[in-house]
Amino acid sequence: GAVVSQHPSWVICKSGTSVKIECRSLDFQATTMFWYRQFPKQSLMLMATSNEGSKATYEQGVEKDKFLINHASLTLSTLTVTSAHPEDSSFYICSARDVTGTSGYNEQFFGPGTRLTVL
Amino acid sequence: ILNVEQSPQSLHVQEGDSTNFTCSFPSSNFYALHWYRWETAKSPEALFVMTLNGDEKKKGRISATLNTKEGYSYLYIKGSQPEDSATYLCAFKAFNKFYFGSGTKLNVKP
Repeated sequence: GAVVSQHPSWVICKSGTSVKIECRSLDFQATTMFWYRQFPKQSLMLMATSNEGSKATYEQGVEKDKFLINHASLTLSTLTVTSAHPEDSSFYICSARDVTGTSGYNEQFFGPGTRLTVL
Repeated sequence: ILNVEQSPQSLHVQEGDSTNFTCSFPSSNFYALHWYRWETAKSPEALFVMTLNGDEKKKGRISATLNTKEGYSYLYIKGSQPEDSATYLCAFKAFNKFYFGSGTKLNVKP
């Protein structure tokens, strides 16, 4: 159980184009999803917290107009990188929180990530 | 941003060796410490959730300890196998957010 899928797994795009990444919880409902970014040899850094049916909360330094997040259903959140530039090239990974998890600590379950390369 | 550090950055061991690595985190505002195992091209897999000072958790050959007062957690692997090769991440949970270390990449040679 607790499987999260992410699509696409990798994408190469031209500078100036927009790229959409999907994150789906396959066997549970996730009222909250998280989007992280990882640059080479660095830690996963939280970009934004996405709550179903409401606006996402962005971390300091993350441009909300550039990284559009939509969480329209309990199983799907999307991240759109608008007008992508080479400096946006990174590894993007989502996680979903199962609020009914038995751990009681609202564990996050991760997708496999998306490698974005902007030429 | 809360600083979470993992050491070493990478580790190469022979099959059968036992190994351990460290996760250091702030000792204040502690809520939980999570360990993940992350294989290339796969999702990070949860290993342990640790919440209490002195916690010790075990799963097969892998175990972890927690010291919240001094702000560190150790992950131990006994008798490493090639299939243990992965990056091991720790994540410090505070203020309802996860703060990750950069991981320890373990390579176990047959």
